[in-house]
Amino acid sequence: EAGVAQSPRYKIIEKRQSVAFWCNPISGHATLYWYQQILGQGPKLLIQFQNNGVVDDSQLPKDRFSAERLKGVDSTLKIQPAKLEDSAVYLCASSSRDLGFLGELFFGEGSRLTVL
Amino acid sequence: AQSVTQLDSQVPVFEEAPVELRCNYSSSVSVYLFWYVQYPNQGLQLLLKYLSGSTLVKGINGFEAEFNKSQTSFHLRKPSVHISDTAEYFCAVSSSGYSTLTFGKGTMLLVSP
Repeated sequence: EAGVAQSPRYKIIEKRQSVAFWCNPISGHATLYWYQQILGQGPKLLIQFQNNGVVDDSQLPKDRFSAERLKGVDSTLKIQPAKLEDSAVYLCASSSRDLGFLGELFFGEGSRLTVL
Repeated sequence: AQSVTQLDSQVPVFEEAPVELRCNYSSSVSVYLFWYVQYPNQGLQLLLKYLSGSTLVKGINGFEAEFNKSQTSFHLRKPSVHISDTAEYFCAVSSSGYSTLTFGKGTMLLVSP
C-alpha cells in the first residue's frame, strides 16, 4: 500500500512570494489533514477535509493560506504572500474513518519551507 | 479546549537503559490519547493509542504507556532502549466527539552507546 505522498520535499522562497504544496493521501482515505510544524513545536492543525468538504479550518490564516481538495482525493495548500514566520514543515496526513474510532493518522514525509 | 504538555524537550539516555517520556493532558471531556514517533526527515508514525479499556497500552518497538485519569497523564516507557530509538516523540490528545488531534511540543530521545 502506497503511503501519503507530498511534494516538493523542500522549498526556499523570498518573503512575499507564493508557494504551493501538493498531497496525495492513501487510496480510499476520506479524511485529509494539513498540519504546520514549526521548529521546536508540535504539529498544529491548519485544515481538515472530509472528502472534498472542509471540517475544520479554524486555525488556518485565511488572509494568506488557502487549501482545496476539489475531487475528494489529492489536495493543494497555498501560501500567498509568504512571511518569514511561515518557515516550517507542512505535513499532510490522511485517515480512513472518523478519528474517534480508529485514531490513526498516516503522515507523509512533509514539505519543508524556508522563507528568506 | 484540550492541550498536551510534554515536560521534557530532550531526554538523553544510554543504550539498554530504561526510559520514561512524560505527557500530561487537559480536557473537559473524555479523551483518546496517542504517542507518535518521528525519525529524522520522516513523517510521524503511530506508536500506540489509548481509546478505552485497559489503562496499560502496548505499542510497537517494545514501547508501552499507561493512562492515569486521576493524574491526567499518559507517560511512555521502554525497559531497554536501542540506538535506533533515537527520534522525536509526540504525545497527542483527541476529545470524544471531536476529531481534531492536538499535539504536544515533542520530546527528543537521544540514545548513546
